[in-house]
Amino acid sequence: EVQLVESGGGLVQPGGSLRLSCAASGFTFSSYWMSWVRQAPGKGLEWVANIKQDGSEKYYVDSVKGRFTISRDNAKNSLYLQMNSLKAEDTAVYSCAREVVHMVYGVLSGSYDYWGQGTLVTVSS
Amino acid sequence: SYEVTQPPSVSVSPGQTARITCSGDALPKQYAYWYQQKPGQAPVVVIYKDSERPSGIPERFSGSSSGTTVTLTISGVQAEDEADYYCQSADSSGTYRVFGGGTKLTVL
Repeated sequence: EVQLVESGGGLVQPGGSLRLSCAASGFTFSSYWMSWVRQAPGKGLEWVANIKQDGSEKYYVDSVKGRFTISRDNAKNSLYLQMNSLKAEDTAVYSCAREVVHMVYGVLSGSYDYWGQGTLVTVSS
Repeated sequence: SYEVTQPPSVSVSPGQTARITCSGDALPKQYAYWYQQKPGQAPVVVIYKDSERPSGIPERFSGSSSGTTVTLTISGVQAEDEADYYCQSADSSGTYRVFGGGTKLTVL
């Protein structure tokens, strides 16, 4: 059974840092792109970042570029999100998701077939 | 940054057909995916690659694509279909993923 379990959320002051973790099990972690997706309270889904199977490619939404870093440890079946310079608008439930990649017209497309339940990050003084 | 746009809400009576649209400049060159999210639950994909339905998803869910707009159609809507629906795609380079703002489907 595929499982994704996030941890590391909590209350942090503006400007602070937090490191989220996602423990994966039930599938060959090193074979999949992985993503972080967040959802602010009462708001919609927002893709945050993704990372290729071997960690050689990483992409971010504009609003977190330069502040967040996605990484993975395939030996530990784990995905991470280092969040620095946190802002109030980063307050959200952060979920990791397994990405299924397709090719369309020669470029990548991806969807999410498994999600964790998420970990809440609250940025407030 | 790239965006896809959905209506914030759609309302239908039970048994009727609900159509939720999603518009974006890259949609002619990128697949769209549709997710259903109920309160307190993780999203579930109901349509992938524009029009394919995963196993276990009822046949009343279908997807279509025309130019810069994709459409999720739910035929014979049931009360259990009341949920938030999200369109998801990528930019034309395939680099960045994007979600639409979500559409709240209300079954009257």
